[in-house]
Formats: sequence, C-alpha cells, structure tokens
Amino acid sequence: GENVEQHPSTLSVQEGDSAVIKCTYSDSASNYFPWYKQELGKRPQLIIDIRSNVGEKKDQRIAVTLNKTAKHFSLHITETQPEDSAVYFCAANQAGTALIFGKGTTLSVSS
Amino acid sequence: GAVVSQHPSWVICKSGTSVKIECRSLDFQATTMFWYRQFPKQSLMLMATSNEGSKATYEQGVEKDKFLINHASLTLSTLTVTSAHPEDSSFYICSARLGLAGITDTQYFGPGTRLTVL
Repeated sequence: GENVEQHPSTLSVQEGDSAVIKCTYSDSASNYFPWYKQELGKRPQLIIDIRSNVGEKKDQRIAVTLNKTAKHFSLHITETQPEDSAVYFCAANQAGTALIFGKGTTLSVSS
Repeated sequence: GAVVSQHPSWVICKSGTSVKIECRSLDFQATTMFWYRQFPKQSLMLMATSNEGSKATYEQGVEKDKFLINHASLTLSTLTVTSAHPEDSSFYICSARLGLAGITDTQYFGPGTRLTVL
C-alpha cells in the first residue's frame, strides 16, 4: 500500500519568510496529492491539490510542485503570516482509494 | 458547496456503552465516505472506507465488530463504537468524496467528533 513520508515535523519561520514542506510517496500509481491545513481542534481544510499530469500549481501565496520521477511533492508558502500557523498534512492516493496522510508538519510563524 | 457535517461534535460516555457518530454530506451525494481516527498531535489514520449500499472495507488492525459502519444513503454514513473503552477515546473524522472515482477525487472533511470514554 501507499506510504507517505513528510518533513520536517516542525518548522518555525519569521513573518514574511517562505516555508517549504516536503513529502515523498511510495506508490507510483498514486495520482492525486492534496495538502490540508488543520488548526487545533478543527477539521482539515484543503488548501491546494495537484494531480499527476501537472508539475506545479499556484494559488496566491501557496504553491505545490510534483516530481513524479522522484515521487515527491512539496508545499511552498511565501510571505508567511501568523495566521498560517497550523499543522499541515500532505496526502496521496490513487483515484478512487482513500487518502493516505503524512505525519504532519507544525508550522509556527512568529511576528 | 461541498459541506460535510458530523454529529455529535463531542461525546462523553461510560465504559461499556455504545456511541453512534453521524457523517452527512449536506450539498452533494457521496457514494464513498471515509472514517479516520486522530490522536492528539498525530496524523489521521484511516479506519475504513464506507460505500453506499455495501459493506465497509476496514483497514488492517481495525476491528469491524467494534467499529460498525453503515452507509445507508448517498448522504449519510454512521460509525458506531460498540462497548467503548477508555482507549477508544480519540478524535474521529469522516470525509466524503466529491466527484466520480477516477475522474475527480477531492475529499472534504467533517468537523470531527471528540469521543471521551470514562
């Protein structure tokens, strides 16, 4: 089955800096890679996703890149703000199957 | 759009009792829903895949007789924790898939149910 590794487990940045979170996956059949943001006690919120036929996707300050050959994908947050502080999860699946999540990254943005 | 609700949001029960958690897709039909369990400061662990009109598929290590899943309609899946014990205390989250399998695969999560077993 799919296995998703996520790094780092914690990340502290200054407001305005960029943050990068990296994930690797094991199943070459996986073709969907979403990123979720979860605040304490709340549900995971989808912030961006990418499918295997695309190498990069951007939405304002957030971007995701995918390297299918290396089986890794990354989340990039630019101009970080304190409200970006949360736990971020990457996930992967093959269409039709359940998402398998990484262990999460706790991002702290200090002002 | 794409709203998923869960009820209750939190529940406290005595050891040995059963607790039912509902997961509803409010504005779309979901042929497939997923149940996850999340311990504090940990990731979401898939428990089972719930398909409308058929038996749920459980992940290895998840007791199907303890965690009963029913997906009776295209908008409702229920998880019943039977004979709950303190070690079952956790945050239970469902998700519903929007779209057709193999075509689109976006999943939206419910707000979660915090279960505390005394």
